[in-house]
Amino acid sequence: QVQLKESGPGLVQPSQTLSLTCTVSGLSLTSNSVSWIRQPPKKGLEWMGVIWSNGGTDYNSAIKSRLSISRDTSKSQVFLKMNSLQTEDTAMYFCARNGGYWYFDFWGPGTMVTVSS
Amino acid sequence: DIVLTQSPTTLSVTPGETVSLSCRASHSIGTSLHWYQHTTNESPRLLIKYASQSISGIPSRFSASGSGTDFTLNINNVEFDDVSSYFCQQTQSWPNTFGAGTKLELK
Repeated sequence: QVQLKESGPGLVQPSQTLSLTCTVSGLSLTSNSVSWIRQPPKKGLEWMGVIWSNGGTDYNSAIKSRLSISRDTSKSQVFLKMNSLQTEDTAMYFCARNGGYWYFDFWGPGTMVTVSS
Repeated sequence: DIVLTQSPTTLSVTPGETVSLSCRASHSIGTSLHWYQHTTNESPRLLIKYASQSISGIPSRFSASGSGTDFTLNINNVEFDDVSSYFCQQTQSWPNTFGAGTKLELK
């Protein structure tokens, strides 16, 4: 049974760095790709980036300069780091498995991140 | 980026009704359009892939159609559990993008 679960700090101060962890079960990160997706309050979803099964990454150009995605395959964890946070980064953050190629067939429940002083 | 416009924003329904949700793309995307259901406090769920392809485990009352720029998700005999937000995603063009969603609520 494939499961993903996000974890993170909940509250981050402006200009600080956000660190989130996606812990997966029921799948191997060496043969599956995982994306991060976020949804600000009352807005649509935004794909942020992906770490491919071969360890390569791709990022949405809108946030590429601030974003880094990595993984620890032995711990079945995918990590997101995003720096220079602003209030506009307040959102629910999801990790999801890339099924096929770009659609997402399994999602975590999400973790809410609020950027506020 | 390709913009997906979903309508209506909110749809009030009575259980047993059949409803249609629209997703319109700013440019042609072939059939690279996927539908998701997102119920509050739950993980989003993939309902339909590539415009009309069913997903294992998804009830048959969910169906979809369309190609190019106009897509439709149909829900037959709406049930209480269908009260959710529904959003579409295109994967034809980089980066993949999502619509803002349609919220289904009970009358």
